[in-house]
Amino acid sequence: AQSVTQLDSHVSVSEGTPVLLRCNYSSSYSPSLFWYVQHPNKGLQLLLKYTSAATLVKGINGFEAEFKKSETSFHLTKPSAHMSDAAEYFCVVTSGGYQKVTFGTGTKLQVIP
Amino acid sequence: SAVISQKPSRDICQRGTSLTIQCQVDSQVTMMFWYRQQPGQSLTLIATANQGSEATYESGFVIDKFPISRPNLTFSTLTVSNMSPEDSSIYLCSVVTGGETQYFGPGTRLLVL
Repeated sequence: AQSVTQLDSHVSVSEGTPVLLRCNYSSSYSPSLFWYVQHPNKGLQLLLKYTSAATLVKGINGFEAEFKKSETSFHLTKPSAHMSDAAEYFCVVTSGGYQKVTFGTGTKLQVIP
Repeated sequence: SAVISQKPSRDICQRGTSLTIQCQVDSQVTMMFWYRQQPGQSLTLIATANQGSEATYESGFVIDKFPISRPNLTFSTLTVSNMSPEDSSIYLCSVVTGGETQYFGPGTRLLVL
């Protein structure tokens, strides 16, 4: 079985403070993990991906995520939030070469000026 | 990367009618997916549409309701048949490139009255 749990449906941070969006997964296979961002009324944009190379993955717009197999986690972080980061973020796990794709339920990030 | 376009971008339809959504990719891809994103929710996979084979539907989705065509490596259509208000949703086309990254189209916003 494969599943993704995004632990927070909403996260609110002040501009300039760190961002942490949490994602836990379960998979019977060696998974690939992704974070996507969806701005209001926009399509999904890939932020970063982990595919069994380096466990610390750097993405676009200053985001990064660390794959921790022992904790089955793939949390997304950013040192300093920007107003433009306000959006919904989805954690995604795939296995078997996209034979199985599972989306998390999403985390809405609010950035307060 | 892959650039994906969808037509129409949005539509308002009457119940009982059908709508065909087109997905065009700027490069040849083997793996193509159709997703649904209901208001305020995450993405749910409808079916996988690989060229050269019949579409594979996820649990809860059937070919009579969501027939799919995949005539070549750059194009696919999804039809939403005999629509009801419960079909109001965003429908997204997605592809996986050789780099094993999944890209998404901008979506088709469907409202059924």
